[in-house]
Amino acid sequence: SQTIHQWPATLVQPVGSPLSLECTVEGTSNPNLYWYRQAAGRGLQLLFYSVGIGQISSEVPQNLSASRPQDRQFILSSKKLLLSDSGFYLCAWSEQFGEQFFGPGTRLTVL
Amino acid sequence: ILNVEQSPQSLHVQEGDSTNFTCSFPSSNFYALHWYRWETAKSPEALFVMTLNGDEKKKGRISATLNTKEGYSYLYIKGSQPEDSATYLCASPSGATNKLIFGTGTLLAVQP
Repeated sequence: SQTIHQWPATLVQPVGSPLSLECTVEGTSNPNLYWYRQAAGRGLQLLFYSVGIGQISSEVPQNLSASRPQDRQFILSSKKLLLSDSGFYLCAWSEQFGEQFFGPGTRLTVL
Repeated sequence: ILNVEQSPQSLHVQEGDSTNFTCSFPSSNFYALHWYRWETAKSPEALFVMTLNGDEKKKGRISATLNTKEGYSYLYIKGSQPEDSATYLCASPSGATNKLIFGTGTLLAVQP
């Protein structure tokens, strides 16, 4: 069966510090991978998605970036965090056009 | 840009009440409608994926209907229980991809 892991579960970072959130999927090959964010009081917003290694599509302009160095690894990064980057970050995977399965999420607080 | 809207934003019901909420989406270029249940401190969990006009799906006390011509889906919960308390999200793919556009969700609180 497939499983999806995210870490860390919670993170408190100062403004201007770097960020790296990691997501890995097990039990499937060549999944579509997604990063979402839920800011306080708002819905889930798609940040990035990837249909293959090295292929990243950005949905909204921001100071975040994503990378997919391996088939089942998806990384969300920032060089300098902003206060507005605080939120709940979810990674998800799907087969090509199937339903999406979400990881446990990371709660990021930028102070 | 695809716009998915949900109402109401929140709902408080008593245990045993039946309830329903709405998801609306553009009816043109429709591909699918997803419903998710998101409990606090957990991952969103897929409930239904609906693709056909008139579709009706059921899982236990929860059911959903789909009207693609007018662009809405209803989620029904029969005999609400405290464990049904969660945010219910709907989402629809943007174009012929699996990039889901989510609504802001309906927060359901069931009082024992």
